[in-house]
Amino acid sequence: GAGVSQSPSNKVTEKGKDVELRCDPISGHTALYWYRQSLGQGLEFLIYFQGNSAPDKSGLPSDRFSAERTGGSVSTLTIQRTQQEDSAVYLCASSLPSRETQYFGPGTRLLVL
Amino acid sequence: KNQVEQSPQSLIILEGKNCTLQCNYTVSPFSNLRWYKQDTGRGPVSLTIMTFSENTKSNGRYTATLDADTKQSSLHITASQLSDSASYICVVRGRKNAGNMLTFGGGTRLMVKP
Repeated sequence: GAGVSQSPSNKVTEKGKDVELRCDPISGHTALYWYRQSLGQGLEFLIYFQGNSAPDKSGLPSDRFSAERTGGSVSTLTIQRTQQEDSAVYLCASSLPSRETQYFGPGTRLLVL
Repeated sequence: KNQVEQSPQSLIILEGKNCTLQCNYTVSPFSNLRWYKQDTGRGPVSLTIMTFSENTKSNGRYTATLDADTKQSSLHITASQLSDSASYICVVRGRKNAGNMLTFGGGTRLMVKP
């Protein structure tokens, strides 16, 4: 399987806890994106990594959200002190440099109780 | 403000019938428009991408049209199949060299019934 993988596939947590979501992009894809998709809503851009450039964090909704990409490959999205409104599907996508097509992972379904 | 509006929000059709989904956008300057198909519980998969100069593009039973003057696009599905049941998302990229210049529509949920 050479697609984008994400883990966990589902996560249930209590309000106030921290969560970490992982994304493994397609090998060789230098661009990596995180999106959030709330129930019945469209995709919401969160953050974008491109190679060694500084990430574009303009979509992060609050300072409780942060993301890292180590070694230009795997990325982790961290949500601190989770709130119920953080409940959503978090999707990761990757693409080749200078290419438009983004390949999406299956998403992590986060439920904050 | 850049916006992408899709209609209808949901649609139910019988297997074998055709349908057309609409996408109106206000993104400017415009770079390209893409239609994605998202099966339930899966990530979106790209169907077509259209640039400013393209009016129509087909991918099997899917045909997308673009009118850059009126800022409208449509996705026509011919001879629908049960497997076409999914959400269809219209995504517009603005013409800037930034990775986040994407505006997503809310999607149309299509259900094809036998």
